[in-house]
Amino acid sequence: NAGVTQTPKFRVLKTGQSMTLLCAQDMNHEYMYWYRQDPGMGLRLIHYSVGEGTTAKGEVPDGYNVSRLKKQNFLLGLESAAPSQTSVYFCASNPGTGGIANTEAFFGQGTRLTVV
Amino acid sequence: AQSVAQPEDQVNVAEGNPLTVKCTYSVSGNPYLFWYVQYPNRGLQFLLKYITGDNLVKGSYGFEAEFNKSQTSFHLKKPSALVSDSALYFCAVRTTSGNTPLVFGKGTRLSVIA
Repeated sequence: NAGVTQTPKFRVLKTGQSMTLLCAQDMNHEYMYWYRQDPGMGLRLIHYSVGEGTTAKGEVPDGYNVSRLKKQNFLLGLESAAPSQTSVYFCASNPGTGGIANTEAFFGQGTRLTVV
Repeated sequence: AQSVAQPEDQVNVAEGNPLTVKCTYSVSGNPYLFWYVQYPNRGLQFLLKYITGDNLVKGSYGFEAEFNKSQTSFHLKKPSALVSDSALYFCAVRTTSGNTPLVFGKGTRLSVIA
C-alpha cells in the first residue's frame, strides 16, 4: 500500500516555464488537497477536491490550476512559474465521503520546487 | 471560515520535563481537530484527533491533547519529553459539516534539549 505518492520530488524551473505536479493515492479517498509550505507560513491550502471531477480554491490559488479527472489523481499545474512559487508542495487525501469529516488526512512526502 | 492559531513559533523544553504546544481555533459550528508532526525533509504524520466525547484525547508516541470548547483550544501535551520529539508540530481544524477543507496553523517548532 503506497498511500500518497507525489511526483517529482525535486524540480528546478526557470521563470516563465510551466510544469505539472502529480499526486496519486491508492486508498480510494474522496478528498484530495494541495498545500504549499513556506518558512514561518505553515501549510497554506492552494486547491482542493471533494471528489472526482470537482475542484475548489483554497487560501492561495493564484498562479495555480488543478484537475481531478480520475479519483486517484490530483494534478497541480503552474502555467508560468514565478520565483514566489518556490516552495515545498504537499499533497494530501482523506476519505471524507458522505460528509464524514472526522478522518485524518494522509500526506505525500512533498515536492521541493525552486523557480530561478 | 475556519482558522487555527499556534501562538508560539518555538518551544524549548528539557528532556524529561512535560511539554505543551498551544493551539486555538475558530470555526462556525463544531470542530474536528487534529495534530500532525513533521520531521526534517519528511511529510506530515498524524498524531491524534478530537472528534467528540472525552475532552482528553490520547495519540501516538505518548502524546495527548485536551479539547476546551469554552476557550476554543486544543493544546498538545506530553508528560515527559524525549529528544526524539524534536520536530515541527501542526494543529489543524475542519468543520463537522459540509465539504470544508482541512486548515492548518503555522506550526510550532519543538526543541527538546538533553
